[in-house]
Amino acid sequence: GAVVSQHPSWVICKSGTSVKIECRSLDFQATTMFWYRQFPKQSLMLMATSNEGSKATYEQGVEKDKFLINHASLTLSTLTVTSAHPEDSSFYICSARKPIPTIFYEQYFGPGTRLTVT
Amino acid sequence: GENVEQHPSTLSVQEGDSAVIKCTYSDSASNYFPWYKQELGKRPQLIIDIRSNVGEKKDQRIAVTLNKTAKHFSLHITETQPEDSAVYFCAASRGGTASKLTFGTGTRLQVTL
Repeated sequence: GAVVSQHPSWVICKSGTSVKIECRSLDFQATTMFWYRQFPKQSLMLMATSNEGSKATYEQGVEKDKFLINHASLTLSTLTVTSAHPEDSSFYICSARKPIPTIFYEQYFGPGTRLTVT
Repeated sequence: GENVEQHPSTLSVQEGDSAVIKCTYSDSASNYFPWYKQELGKRPQLIIDIRSNVGEKKDQRIAVTLNKTAKHFSLHITETQPEDSAVYFCAASRGGTASKLTFGTGTRLQVTL
């Protein structure tokens, strides 16, 4: 199997506070995890690539000081939205790459976390 | 970087008819093309994928075709059913250690009775 979980599934926070979202690969080790943001009726936009034991690689336009990513183990990556504002309200989805021995790596997605900032 | 365009944005078909969704990509080095189905509020689910070394792949009612020369690939769903109603996303990747997926803009498929 290839199961990825996220916690929490939804969260409401006040403007200016920080929120941490966890992404876990439950039955495999993931050297690489990805964080996406999806606004209503829009596509998935990659925010950053998280590599275990090293700094995350952020996509252009994504503020690394606002979206802190930590990938401290082979099964856990966290995304912290710091000083959240209403415009950060979105559906955040993580995915994990299963290191099968092939050059093509499938990604397995978590169930997503809906963040609402009031 | 890679740019993936997807058409149409919405598609309505009658149950039993076929549905076709088309995507084009810009990066000639892309060699992995997955298709995802996403229901409202749920995670994207991989329904089929194709590697660059083949031109077509089929899995029951779902098929994908790839034209590397033209840099486009298509999803074909035959004998559509109401449960096929969802948003479908194509994606492209170079594979390998990067394996970053670039998604298309999505197609909302509605299968009517």
